[in-house]
Formats: sequence, structure tokens, C-alpha cells
Amino acid sequence: DAGVIQSPRHEVTEMGQEVTLRCKPISGHDYLFWYRQTMMRGLELLIYFNNNVPIDDSGMPEDRFSAKMPNASFSTLKIQPSEPRDSAVYFCASSRSGGSGNTIYFGEGSWLTVV
Amino acid sequence: AQKITQTQPGMFVQEKEAVTLDCTYDTSDQSYGLFWYKQPSSGEMIFLIYQGSYDEQNATEGRYSLNFQKARKSANLVISASQLGDSAMYFCAMREGLGTASKLTFGTGTRLQVTL
Repeated sequence: DAGVIQSPRHEVTEMGQEVTLRCKPISGHDYLFWYRQTMMRGLELLIYFNNNVPIDDSGMPEDRFSAKMPNASFSTLKIQPSEPRDSAVYFCASSRSGGSGNTIYFGEGSWLTVV
Repeated sequence: AQKITQTQPGMFVQEKEAVTLDCTYDTSDQSYGLFWYKQPSSGEMIFLIYQGSYDEQNATEGRYSLNFQKARKSANLVISASQLGDSAMYFCAMREGLGTASKLTFGTGTRLQVTL
């Protein structure tokens, strides 16, 4: 089975530009999570979806961040406008309810640098 | 209070030796799950092992085992016969509530270095 697929793997952009990160969860998984990892704050949950519906977006830092899940196999995390402090690794992860331990599987991450 | 505490920022272990990475957690839920993930220098997050709060036996997956002490609220990861490829960051995480897929809360991680 293919794992969680994220794109792009690396992105360097200028401050003020729009950034869109993409994620394809594991087929059959009904939960999708967006995490951000920084040296200062570690791994923090931004938002998660269940059956394409946002359940908890309390971790989204501010209005510049938005996430969508138009269907079961695709999600986006958008930052507009981007700022240098958004530089981080953004992980998408997915999980299947009812599975053993509801294990969350992570993608390889999108490394974002805003200059 | 921190939900997940990893008190060892860094650990060294010699190849072929066993090593224990500490993790304590805080929750008032009766149903929860504990996870360990490995993050090598390449950056991906790799799931290693899971322990449910109702599991009576300690979880094992190959060279990984989880020393689960419920009364002490600890879930230490034991890696036996360390290999050079085990050098990585290791994160302990908790998921409160079972049967529903709530979010994972992570500790700050332990960097393990395996030496010759």
C-alpha cells in the first residue's frame, strides 16, 4: 500500500507569496491531520479532518493559514501571505478509525523555507 | 502540565547494546494509546510501536519493546541490540480516547546516537 503522499517535498518561497501544500492520505483512512514541526515548538497539530470535515482547527496559527479537504483522497494546507516564521516542516498524516490503536501514519513532510 | 514528558534530550549507546528511552504521560482518561515514532535525519516520521491502556502485556515489535507501567504513567521504549541505523530522534506520543481517532500529542523527543 502507498503511504501518505505529500508534495512538494521542499519549497523555498519569498515572504508574501502564497504557499500550497498537498496531501494524499492512505486509501481507506477517514482521518487526516496536518502537523507542523519547528525547533522551538516541536510537533504541533494544526488541524484535523474526519470524513473530509474539519473537526479541530484550534492549532491553526492565524487567518493566513487555511486547510481544505474536498474529497477523501486529497487535502491542501495554504499559507497566504507567507512569512519567514512559517518556515518549518509540515507533516500530513492519516488514520483509520476502528483500526488497531488507530495508528497515525505520517507522510515524509514538506520542508518550507520562507525568505 | 505537559501531557508527554521525555526527560532525556540526548542518549548515547554502543552498537549491540540495549537502550531505554524514557517517557511519562499525564491523562485523566481511562482509555488512551501510547506510540513511539522514529525520525531519522532524513526527516520522515516512522511509526514503531503502540500500547493501548487496556493492554495487559507490553507491546513488542522486533527489536522494539514498550515497558508500560500504568500506575507510574510511564511508557519507556527499549531498543535491544542497537544498530548504527537506530541513530535518530525518537518521539513518544499519546492519543486520548480509544475507538475514536483523536489527535496525537507528542513529547519533545530524545536524540539517540549509536556508537561503534
